[in-house]
Parts: sequence; C-alpha cells; structure tokens
Amino acid sequence: HLLEVGGALVKPGGSLRVTCEVSGFSFKDYDMSWIRQTPGRGLEWVSHISNKGESTNYAESVKGRFTVSRDNRGNSLYLQMDSLRSDDTATYFCARDRRGSGTHFFDHWGQGTVVTVSS
Amino acid sequence: SYVLSQPLSESVAPGKTARITCGGDDIGSKSVHWYQRKPGQAPVLVISYDNDRPSGIPERFSGSNSGSMATLVIRRVEAGDEADYFCQVWDRNTDHRVFGGGTKLTVL
Repeated sequence: HLLEVGGALVKPGGSLRVTCEVSGFSFKDYDMSWIRQTPGRGLEWVSHISNKGESTNYAESVKGRFTVSRDNRGNSLYLQMDSLRSDDTATYFCARDRRGSGTHFFDHWGQGTVVTVSS
Repeated sequence: SYVLSQPLSESVAPGKTARITCGGDDIGSKSVHWYQRKPGQAPVLVISYDNDRPSGIPERFSGSNSGSMATLVIRRVEAGDEADYFCQVWDRNTDHRVFGGGTKLTVL
C-alpha cells in the first residue's frame, strides 16, 4: 500500500515536501519513482531513486529544483520541491519502480496527492 | 529524448474490440507497459513486457509490439473499461521512464 501525503497550495517560488508512506512489502528492496499528472496532460515521470538511495535521476523539467530521498527504516519516500512554478501544479503519485530485463515499469501506485502552485 | 505518441481518444461499443496504439522510434526493440487510469483512482498496470498480464487483470486485455508501433487490445469491451490508457517504456540512453500522452477510451 502506498499513501501520498503533504500536497498543498503553494505560491510560485515556494517549496513543499510530499511524502509517500509505504506498507505491505519490503520497501528497502525496491526502487521507487515519483510520477505526476496534470489536468489536460498525461503522466510525466518525475524522479527515481534506487532501493538503497544510492542512485537518483530526474526529468529535465525538475532537475535542479526537486530532490528525491528515502528512509528505509521508516518505510517512507520523499520529494522535496523547491522553486515551484505554476506548471508544477499536478497530482503527484509515488510508485514502486520494478527493474526488469532491460526495462523499468511501475507495478504499484498510490492514490496521489495534489500540489497546486498559484499566487 | 524518446517520444511516445498515442491518439487522444478512441470509442468502442460494448462487446466489441478496442485497439489503442502507441508509436515510437523502433519501439519494437523496447518493452512496452500499459496503465489504466480511472478518474480519482490510482493508475493500474494492465500489461507489462508488451503482453504480460499482471495477476487480477482479465484475459480480455492483451498487447503486441513490433516495428514502430505497440498496441493494447481490449476484447469484449465493458462499460467498466472506460478510462485513460497510457503506454510507457524505459529509455536506456537517459535512464528515464517515458509515458505516452494517454488515450481516453469511451465505451459508447
């Protein structure tokens, strides 16, 4: 089970941290990703973190502004969002990121948390 | 960066077959995964590795992938299949996960 919390209304230029609380599987054994969806736009992968937190990567649209991290003892995934812009307004999902044979995909998703960036 | 193209919408009558396409450069050399998203709900993986159905997904759902096009096929469409469908691949050059723009399936 994945539960995103922390979505809010934030002013442009502001910061926000959203959290994904994980239960039901061994969190420390799996890579995780953040994915967002905006009204009228499709799904956009935002960021990935390896199971031990040693490796991260980001979409170009958020690189340098967003930071993904995890607490394997607390079974939590985080997304720190800084320098927020109006086009960051979206529903943010966390998802279990499965490493397969020459691929990655998402086999479990949370319900999402809404982030609105507006003055 | 790698780009996936999907039609914005498809319509199908109940009981018929829906085909949702996902185009990309040499997509046949990649593994394609498909997700279903209904309003207010979490996305659900319906097909992985081009044509594998996760546990709990009806046999009516299948997929194919060759050349420059992957296709999600939904047979004997039901009203409950009405949703947005997204294809997704992994771009090994950037280590980025890439989604198609999504197709809204309407059941007439």
